[in-house]
Amino acid sequence: AQSVTQLDSQVPVFEEAPVELRCNYSSSVSVYLFWYVQYPNQGLQLLLKYLSGSTLVKGINGFEAEFNKSQTSFHLRKPSVHISDTAEYFCAVSDIRNAGNMLTFGGGTRLMVKP
Amino acid sequence: GAGVSQSPSNKVTEKGKDVELRCDPISGHTALYWYRQSLGQGLEFLIYFQGNSAPDKSGLPSDRFSAERTGGSVSTLTIQRTQQEDSAVYLCASSQLAGGYTDTQYFGPGTRLTVL
Repeated sequence: AQSVTQLDSQVPVFEEAPVELRCNYSSSVSVYLFWYVQYPNQGLQLLLKYLSGSTLVKGINGFEAEFNKSQTSFHLRKPSVHISDTAEYFCAVSDIRNAGNMLTFGGGTRLMVKP
Repeated sequence: GAGVSQSPSNKVTEKGKDVELRCDPISGHTALYWYRQSLGQGLEFLIYFQGNSAPDKSGLPSDRFSAERTGGSVSTLTIQRTQQEDSAVYLCASSQLAGGYTDTQYFGPGTRLTVL
């Protein structure tokens, strides 16, 4: 079984400032890693994913994340945020042995970008 | 192209009633998932369908929950004898199989279920 912890439930930040949203996971097996974003009253949208290869993954909207196996982390970063980045962000993992790829999600981090 | 659609967008029901939630996946996607998003439990996996294989029901919280997928496309999630703790947003997602691995899951907007 896997579990995902997003340490910060809310992250307030000023526009154009950098931001890091933290994600740690626990798993007895190798996992794939994902970040999803949920804008108000919308479904989840994939930001980026790590399957294999380079540990630095670039996604949409200028976001990137780095997989750190030794620290079991997959933190999401953006060098300069916009008001439009205000949303809830979810980190998720899936067991690589399971072709079904069912996702185990963290509790979410609400990013609040202030002008 | 059309994304994953779900209906209804909102459903209010009384405790003890049965409800049906519908999901139309992206055309051609063989995999379909149901998740639940609630305040107390966050986002939880419920059930997974892949082609004609038997569904993975490991996430269903009780036997009041069931789902079917007809013709490999549309899926219906049924909750019998609804309880107040069933109140949540029910999300559907679909994806393609690619090289034995199910690719990115595309999510619908969800159905918000409120049990009074």
